[in-house]
Amino acid sequence: AQSVTQPDIHITVSEGASLELRCNYSYGATPYLFWYVQSPGQGLQLLLKYFSGDTLVQGIKGFEAEFKRSQSSFNLRKPSVHWSDAAEYFCAVNAGGTSYGKLTFGQGTILTVHP
Amino acid sequence: DTAVSQTPKYLVTQMGNDKSIKCEQNLGHDTMYWYKQDSKKFLKIMFSYNNKELIINETVPNRFSPKSPDKAHLNLHINSLELGDSAVYFCASSQDMAGVLTEAFFGQGTRLTVV
Repeated sequence: AQSVTQPDIHITVSEGASLELRCNYSYGATPYLFWYVQSPGQGLQLLLKYFSGDTLVQGIKGFEAEFKRSQSSFNLRKPSVHWSDAAEYFCAVNAGGTSYGKLTFGQGTILTVHP
Repeated sequence: DTAVSQTPKYLVTQMGNDKSIKCEQNLGHDTMYWYKQDSKKFLKIMFSYNNKELIINETVPNRFSPKSPDKAHLNLHINSLELGDSAVYFCASSQDMAGVLTEAFFGQGTRLTVV
């Protein structure tokens, strides 16, 4: 069964600093990979996705993520964090095929941004 | 226009009651889902419907019964509510067919509190 691990439960950065949120997955083949963001009291918004092709994907709000097959990782990065980026971030995978979009989520990483 | 809308946004009810949460999507998607986010923010799929047919039914108590009158709607009915059912329930949709995958779009969530 596929699984997703986000090793960092809570990360604190200063505004303007760079950010990297880690995500590791366990799956036999290359899954479809996603990063979602959840602001307090809100639903989940898709930041970016990887299906195939270029392993560095660009998303909204200045985020990017890199798929590394050898490390089974899909880490999320942003060069300069803004206070509005404070939220919870979820990595998710999907096995594709007949799984009909079933997403397996990591446990989330809470991002706090200091002014 | 809201892509995936859920009602109500908040629901407080007593143990033993029966309640329903409604979900509608106007994206023309074929597949809809219910996810549960527990108090630790862990998101887990409950059900998936594709063109009104049940595709995924995770290990969910049979007190939970999804109903899809048409492919734009997926409602969740919960019988005999228990304290442990308190959570945020997210509806989502995606344009999935076997082997063709797109990202899932999530509703704002319904915060259910059982007292």
